[in-house]
Amino acid sequence: TQLLEQSPQFLSIQEGENLTVYCNSSSVFSSLQWYRQEPGEGPVLLVTVVTGGEVKKLKRLTFQFGDARKDSSLHITAAQPGDTGLYLCAGASSGGYNKLIFGAGTRLAVHP
Amino acid sequence: KAGVTQTPRYLIKTRGQQVTLSCSPISGHRSVSWYQQTPGQGLQFLFEYFSETQRNKGNFPGRFSGRQFSNSRSEMNVSTLELGDSALYLCASSLGAQGAGYGYTFGSGTRLTVV
Repeated sequence: TQLLEQSPQFLSIQEGENLTVYCNSSSVFSSLQWYRQEPGEGPVLLVTVVTGGEVKKLKRLTFQFGDARKDSSLHITAAQPGDTGLYLCAGASSGGYNKLIFGAGTRLAVHP
Repeated sequence: KAGVTQTPRYLIKTRGQQVTLSCSPISGHRSVSWYQQTPGQGLQFLFEYFSETQRNKGNFPGRFSGRQFSNSRSEMNVSTLELGDSALYLCASSLGAQGAGYGYTFGSGTRLTVV
């Protein structure tokens, strides 16, 4: 059974601080995706990474896929209150199946 | 471009009843997947449909079923509702395989409460 362990579970920080969220597994994934979800809404895709060692940047957000494609991290620089939300990592296996394994999520609160 | 539309947004049902949820994917997306989200279990995969065929199914009892129509719209049905079925049910459409990194577009979900 494939599992994705996400840490930390909760994060409460002040505006301007940096933070990193981790997503780890013992399984290899073909792609790793990060989503952000706000209360009462569905998750919104932030990024997908498919190559081991890949790094993608989205403004103040930096995503990294581990060399062995078993882990990923999300780093936010100078967090803002608008970054508040639930961050979810999700892994997909090869084979053309449209199924994602989701981590439990990191609930981030950024205070002004 | 219209997003993924789920109806209804909220539902309250009684134990033992059945419920049908609807999802209209993004135009051109032939793959529709359903997920259940609860505070205790997070997001769990229910099933995926592509061109009216169920391609993959998660570890849920047979009370959970679905179908897809020729226009790619999908419905999921839960029969004999139990209190534990209370959850946010999310529909997601995709242009290609998740293993290739296509990513999902999720709807806003249907919040089902079973009393």
